[in-house]
Formats: sequence, C-alpha cells, structure tokens
Amino acid sequence: GAGVSQSPSNKVTEKGKDVELRCDPISGHTALYWYRQRLGQGLEFLIYFQGNSAPDKSGLPSDRFSAERTGESVSTLTIQRTQQEDSAVYLCASSFPGRRIYEQYFGPGTRLTVT
Amino acid sequence: AQSVTQLGSHVSVSEGALVLLRCNYSSSVPPYLFWYVQYPNQGLQLLLKYTSAATLVKGINGFEAEFKKSETSFHLTKPSAHMSDAAEYFCAVYPQGGSEKLVFGKGTKLTVNP
Repeated sequence: GAGVSQSPSNKVTEKGKDVELRCDPISGHTALYWYRQRLGQGLEFLIYFQGNSAPDKSGLPSDRFSAERTGESVSTLTIQRTQQEDSAVYLCASSFPGRRIYEQYFGPGTRLTVT
Repeated sequence: AQSVTQLGSHVSVSEGALVLLRCNYSSSVPPYLFWYVQYPNQGLQLLLKYTSAATLVKGINGFEAEFKKSETSFHLTKPSAHMSDAAEYFCAVYPQGGSEKLVFGKGTKLTVNP
C-alpha cells in the first residue's frame, strides 16, 4: 500500500480481555515504532523495531504490553488483561533506514476503548 | 533526558490572522527538529523538519519554522490562517547521537475562527 495501515481502526473491549493491534508499514521501511496517545496528551513512545536488531522496549508501560514484528513487515502490539487506563489511540509509524530514520510516516491509528 | 515543551495546549486565531505555535527543546547539542500535524481522526503528517541546514525551514501548506539556537526554540508560523489549518500540531526532537527515537511535545490544538 501507499502508506502505513493499521487495523482495526476502532476496538472496544471489556476490562480484562486481551487485544491485538496490527500495523503494516510502508514497504522498504526497516524501522517501525508504536506510540500511545491518550486523550489530550502527546505521543508516548512504546517500542521501536529496527531491522534485525533487538527492539527497544523501553517505553512499554508494563509487562501486559508486548509487540512482535515479522522481519521488516507486519507488527502486532498485544495488550493482555486490558485496563481502563489502556484506553487510547495507538499509533504506528515507520521510516526508511539510515539518515532518514527520523522522518516517520504514521498510520491512522487504532482507537482502543476499554469498558 | 531530551524534552520538548509546547507552550499553550490550545491556540485560537481568526481566519487570515498570523499563526504562531511555540516549541522549545532542551539539549546541549542542537537536535533535529520537526513539526507534525494531526487532522481529526487521522495519523500524524510531517509538516517540516530542521536537520542542521538552513535555520528557516519551509513546509507544506504555507507553514514555516525558524531554528534559534540561542533561544532553543523552533516556533511554527503561518502568515495567514485558513480554516483548513484547524488541527493538532506536535513538535518533536530527534537527539543527535542519542537514542533512535523521536521525542514529542504534548501538542497544541489550533482552532481557526471564521
């Protein structure tokens, strides 16, 4: 596709359930990022994948959060035992390797609501 | 740690008026700086970037920003606001020689009144 795509666009789940969010980056982009955007807040970094290197997980808020990436393509963010404070928009971004790694292209996000 | 401060979570201007959105960063070494725009229910879109070249950077939709090292600022301006400029704007910094991720400000929501 032409841009970063994310699915689902909206997800409503009950507290305690697990959810899985998907991100398809732009083809050729080796770097992939996940962010969380709570209502009225800025972007909160969650995790960063770069090629075959070990991911930077320093932003994951708890061990209920995990993410995987298959090669240099699709990534999934999993939240286990969801809590109400997990309600947010989850944004995925990807970028080219090398010096343009800081020019990130964002997907439309997944709006997660935990009831 | 690198940080970005955006003064004013909400800015309201009249159509045709000057838009000024403020951004200050904390860094001893000038980082790369960015402005992103987020329209309702959409992802973020790169508006413009500063990467150690010209200090006055022009972006899309008539926006520009000036890097001022002495003030550690990277304010975003547009001479004449248009209704379509209503959106949320995020300043971000990429610390040179630091970790491989952008640090974002909390955003400024711009409202344009007719």
